[in-house]
Amino acid sequence: QKEVEQNSGPLSVPEGAIASLNCTYSDRGSQSFFWYRQYSGKSPELIMSIYSNGDKEDGRFTAQLNKASQYVSLLIRDSQPSDSATYLCAVIGSSASKIIFGSGTRLSIRP
Amino acid sequence: EAGVAQSPRYKIIEKRQSVAFWCNPISGHATLYWYQQILGQGPKLLIQFQNNGVVDDSQLPKDRFSAERLKGVDSTLKIQPAKLEDSAVYLCASSLVGTGYSPLHFGNGTRLTVT
Repeated sequence: QKEVEQNSGPLSVPEGAIASLNCTYSDRGSQSFFWYRQYSGKSPELIMSIYSNGDKEDGRFTAQLNKASQYVSLLIRDSQPSDSATYLCAVIGSSASKIIFGSGTRLSIRP
Repeated sequence: EAGVAQSPRYKIIEKRQSVAFWCNPISGHATLYWYQQILGQGPKLLIQFQNNGVVDDSQLPKDRFSAERLKGVDSTLKIQPAKLEDSAVYLCASSLVGTGYSPLHFGNGTRLTVT
């Protein structure tokens, strides 16, 4: 079982719709959770962090965390073509010593 | 705030040759990371430094890879000898403190092609 799992996609969403990206993790004691966006040929950039159960909203982005289900998701409202990228889920495990990345979900917003 | 600086941006070498990458983290960031990202995969941690000490190098292929962070600032990652499977983007990242709650800030990466 991978430590952090994501569906590789591609996930195709029409412009203006809600894109929903999901991530599961294996370490029940994981503490911190991040979503990074990576455009093709570029480095990952942090877009959201979440540390406690529930929802966290930042503009068009909402991160959702459910520690009991070991599940974290990212919702993108009013999707724009500029949101087309690979989204990486990253988790800090119970050892709190390193960040583990998922393999990423490729999101494509179609006009 | 200046970002994480890496050089070179691109490097093409033949297998069995050696190569070195350089990274300068964001000023004041104590923790520095080297990641390897193979096309289509997520970044894989190679080594993590806290100041100039190694925190984690469990996934570093030590028979061919080495890294150092002298004086707790700049870092170099070396591969000697390179193999075809080392073709990847090598990302350097830094964070303010230890990993606990500090997100990573990435440099632009070095794209290595081994032929």
